[in-house]
Amino acid sequence: DAGVTQSPTHLIKTRGQHVTLRCSPISGHKSVSWYQQVLGQGPQFIFQYYEKEERGRGNFPDRFSARQFPNYSSELNVNALLLGDSALYLCASSWNTGEGYGYTFGSGTRLTVV
Amino acid sequence: AQSVTQLGSHVSVSEGALVLLRCNYSSSVPPYLFWYVQYPNQGLQLLLKYTSAATLVKGINGFEAEFKKSETSFHLTKPSAHMSDAAEYFCAVSAQAGTALIFGKGTTLSVSS
Repeated sequence: DAGVTQSPTHLIKTRGQHVTLRCSPISGHKSVSWYQQVLGQGPQFIFQYYEKEERGRGNFPDRFSARQFPNYSSELNVNALLLGDSALYLCASSWNTGEGYGYTFGSGTRLTVV
Repeated sequence: AQSVTQLGSHVSVSEGALVLLRCNYSSSVPPYLFWYVQYPNQGLQLLLKYTSAATLVKGINGFEAEFKKSETSFHLTKPSAHMSDAAEYFCAVSAQAGTALIFGKGTTLSVSS
C-alpha cells in the first residue's frame, strides 16, 4: 500500500506570495493532520481534519487554512508568506488501530520563503 | 494542557553502548505517548507507542520504552547502539485518541565507532 504522499517535495516562494501544499492519506484513513517543523525544532500542530470537518487547530495565524476533500486528501494553504514560514510541512494520516490511534507521516514539503 | 520535555538536545554514544533518550510528559489525563525517529531530509517514522495496554513497550529496530506514571516519564532505550541509529528522535503526547500530537524539541543521537 502507498504511504502518505505529499506534493511538492520542495518549493521556493517569495515573501507575500501564496502557497498550496497537498497531501494524500493512506487508503482508508479518514483523518489528516498538518504540522510545521522549523529547522532544529519539533513539529508543531497546525490543523486536523476528519471526514472533511476541522477537528482541531493549533496556534497559527489566519493566514494558514486547510481543507479536506471527499476522497480524504487535503490541502494546506498559506497566504502572505513570511520568511518565518520557511519550514518542513508534514502531513499525517491517522486511524483507529483498536488499541488507540496510529499516525503515519509523509516525507514532507520543504518550503523556503525568500 | 499536554506538554513534553526531552532532556538533552544531543546525546553521543559509542557503537555497542546503551542508548537512553529521556522524555517527561505533562498531561491532565492518561496520555497516549509516542517515539518517532527522523533521518535527515525525511519525515517521521514511528518507533513505538504507549496506549495503556502494557507499561513496557517494544518497538522497531530494537528500541523499547517504559511508561512510568509516578515519574511521568517515557524514556527510550536500546541495549546496543548501531551506527544506523544516528538520527533525530522525538517524543510526542496526545491527550485523547486521535487528537493532535504535541512533540518535544527532539534529541539528536550521534553514534561513534
